[in-house]
Amino acid sequence: NAGVMQNPRHLVRRRGQEARLRCSPMKGHSHVYWYRQLPEEGLKFMVYLQKENIIDESGMPKERFSAEFPKEGPSILRIQQVVRGDSAAYFCASSPTWDSNQPQHFGDGTRLSIL
Amino acid sequence: GDSVTQMEGPVTLSEEAFLTINCTYTATGYPSLFWYVQYPGEGLQLLLKATKADDKGSNKGFEATYRKETTSFHLEKGSVQVSDSAVYFCALSDQGAQKLVFGQGTRLTINP
Repeated sequence: NAGVMQNPRHLVRRRGQEARLRCSPMKGHSHVYWYRQLPEEGLKFMVYLQKENIIDESGMPKERFSAEFPKEGPSILRIQQVVRGDSAAYFCASSPTWDSNQPQHFGDGTRLSIL
Repeated sequence: GDSVTQMEGPVTLSEEAFLTINCTYTATGYPSLFWYVQYPGEGLQLLLKATKADDKGSNKGFEATYRKETTSFHLEKGSVQVSDSAVYFCALSDQGAQKLVFGQGTRLTINP
């Protein structure tokens, strides 16, 4: 399966813990996007990365959230000191180029629950 | 800023009914327009797209036409099936901006 792979599918954390979400893009894709979906809402853009570079982080909360896409390995979305409001589905998407006409391909998401 | 507005849901139809889900947009440039579908517990799948005015995207019996004059991209299907039950998202990406801007989604339920 050469699709976008996200893990874990489900993640449970207690308030104050750290959450790490992983995303491996489709083969041949070097552009990765992270989106957050709150219950019964649409997806909201968080961050756009290329290998080793953050291109657009205009949707990232100013504190506790960070993202990386290293030269080797998956992209990581990291949430420090989680709070109840971080409970959501987090989706990763990838595309082969920067071209806005190219559709983004989505993974199945990580559903984060904060106790 | 850019935005997408979809018709309020949920929408419930009988099998073989005609479907329209309205979508209008606001954008500063000349965006590409997309419809994505989300089945329960899954990620989004691209349903169709259009990249310039008057283009018609189509897939699996669904169609949508890029109308610049009305800034709309309404989704239509002539005869829906139970398997079409899902949440449908209209989205745009503006030129020079790679991020997608989504509407709030429309939940569609088709009864046999």
